[in-house]
Amino acid sequence: AQSVTQLGSHVSVSEGALVLLRCNYSSSVPPYLFWYVQYPNQGLQLLLKYTSAATLVKGINGFEAEFKKSETSFHLTKPSAHMSDAAEYFCAVSIGTSGSRLTFGEGTQLTVNP
Amino acid sequence: GAVVSQHPSRVICKSGTSVKIECRSLDFQATTMFWYRQFPKQSLMLMATSNEGSKATYEQGVEKDKFLINHASLTLSTLTVTSAHPEDSSFYICSAITRGRGDTQYFGPGTRLTVL
Repeated sequence: AQSVTQLGSHVSVSEGALVLLRCNYSSSVPPYLFWYVQYPNQGLQLLLKYTSAATLVKGINGFEAEFKKSETSFHLTKPSAHMSDAAEYFCAVSIGTSGSRLTFGEGTQLTVNP
Repeated sequence: GAVVSQHPSRVICKSGTSVKIECRSLDFQATTMFWYRQFPKQSLMLMATSNEGSKATYEQGVEKDKFLINHASLTLSTLTVTSAHPEDSSFYICSAITRGRGDTQYFGPGTRLTVL
């Protein structure tokens, strides 16, 4: 079975600072990996996904993530945080096909300070 | 493109009543839809997977007689919470995929259910 661990339930950064949200996965087969963002009382919006193509994946809103098989990691980064980036971020994994059932991490609440 | 809607966005009901939540894919045909629930400050937990025209597959621990799922068409799935109780209060989110869109799950905006 696959699983995802997000290190740090809360991350706080200053506006303009680097954003780094950590995600490690466990999977017995090559995984598909996703990052989603959730604003309060809303559904999830896909930021980016890894589907075994390029290991460095660029997403929307300036976010990117790098798949590192040796470290079983898929950390999310953004060079410069904006106030509007404050939200809950979820890492998720699926196997088989990228549209298979998703297993989510516990989420990381990102706070951006002015 | 790839818009998923849910209705209602918020519902409050009395204990013992049934509540139906609709999930629609607005601009694509959804071969598969998923239903999740999310408790405050927690992650999403998959409840069931539904394919159009067939019975839903429920995750372990989810009561299929309590959470009735009907995937009546390629654009509509419904979740009915039967005989709701306060512990059923949660945020329910659906997602939909279609093979023609790279198998990505597109999520609805969620439905906040409060059972009094």
